[in-house]
Amino acid sequence: DIQMTQSPSSLSTSVGERVTITCRASQSISSYLNWYQQKPGKAPKLLINAASSLQSGVPSRFSGSGSGTDFTLTISSLQPEDFATYYCQQSYSIPYTFGQGTKLEIK
Amino acid sequence: QITLKESGPTLVKPTQTLTLTCTFSGFSLTTTGVGVGWIRQPPGKALEWLALIYWDDDKRYSPSLKSRLTLTKDSSKNQVVLTMTNMGPVDTATYYCAHISYGHWGQGTPVTVSS
Repeated sequence: DIQMTQSPSSLSTSVGERVTITCRASQSISSYLNWYQQKPGKAPKLLINAASSLQSGVPSRFSGSGSGTDFTLTISSLQPEDFATYYCQQSYSIPYTFGQGTKLEIK
Repeated sequence: QITLKESGPTLVKPTQTLTLTCTFSGFSLTTTGVGVGWIRQPPGKALEWLALIYWDDDKRYSPSLKSRLTLTKDSSKNQVVLTMTNMGPVDTATYYCAHISYGHWGQGTPVTVSS
């Protein structure tokens, strides 16, 4: 299985701040990388696929980059509704493993 | 509009078999390239990918759970069924089904394994 490692595991930050979450794959996955946002009691919401392709309706303050083994999700200016847990997922090879999650908390 | 909804028991006993149904609309499992996947999430923990079934009945399973999982589809009913045998307390989780694009998920169904 390909291991996906996210950092940090949690982050205490403020509205308006710029946030970067990283995701590292244990082997190259090209650009087969998805990013999700999950709020308590809700299903994950796909934000970005193919490492950098923003899904329709997702605010432009979200962006993704990277290829191979190293990826980043950036939120340019945090909004109150962005405080949630974020997951990366590789869709390169079965099983399509997820990272352990990054929880954004309000400082 | 694509929608998916999971259904099944909320409580199962250890060693029992879990059967979950994903009922979907807005797409067809007879269309080339389409598939439905299953993912679970134990309380307070990360997401775990379980399995995927394709339009042509090709099935892929997580190697760690392959011996316990079975996927079937009924394209006429727009349903996919996941069975998991020999349930144990570690299988307590919310179980989600999702369109192959992962852009559409069901609301999830909680399953508790307890005697």
